[in-house]
Amino acid sequence: GNSVTQMEGPVTLSEEAFLTINCTYTATGYPSLFWYVQYPGEGLQLLLKATKADDKGSNKGFEATYRKETTSFHLEKGSVQVSDSAVYFCALSDGQGGSEKLVFGKGTKLTVNP
Amino acid sequence: GAGVSQTPSNKVTEKGKYVELRCDPISGHTALYWYRQSLGQGPEFLIYFQGTGAADDSGLPNDRFFAVRPEGSVSTLKIQRTERGDSAVYLCASKSEGSYNEQFFGPGTRLTVL
Repeated sequence: GNSVTQMEGPVTLSEEAFLTINCTYTATGYPSLFWYVQYPGEGLQLLLKATKADDKGSNKGFEATYRKETTSFHLEKGSVQVSDSAVYFCALSDGQGGSEKLVFGKGTKLTVNP
Repeated sequence: GAGVSQTPSNKVTEKGKYVELRCDPISGHTALYWYRQSLGQGPEFLIYFQGTGAADDSGLPNDRFFAVRPEGSVSTLKIQRTERGDSAVYLCASKSEGSYNEQFFGPGTRLTVL
């Protein structure tokens, strides 16, 4: 079945450091890809998405490019802030049966220190 | 309401008891999803409703789990004869009609089975 593998955490960075969180997927067909973020004490929020190969999703300084050839959707940010501390989940949308249910990775906890 | 709401926010029960978890989706959203998130894991799909019908219940772990959405809005997830392994955060998400649309998540119900 479809699956998502993302970089194990936790990740600890200093403010203004460069961030990469790796995500690879296994899927039949052409899924949409997502990054969700869960800030402390809050619910899951969509951070960015890409719906087809070579699409780049971007939001709040974060970017990820849908790479079909490497089945990857790595999350990057050039300069992290303390407020970026959260758990990040990579996910794909499984369109089998028309549900578009999400298949998530295990999550990567990011802590940014001042 | 502005977003997806779930009640209760926390539920503690004893092994063998019956519980109901409620989800109020965003008004007008026809698609509704239930996910379960165990500690340190990403959310896992349970069931998907399109309108009143359960279009995909492939994620329900066994027949102790059941969900309804009788009027195509509010949904209730029902768990019979709870087990300690059912302890998790149960998340609800809703989505408007159309592909690639964002799933909006509620804050979740934390279920603890003693």
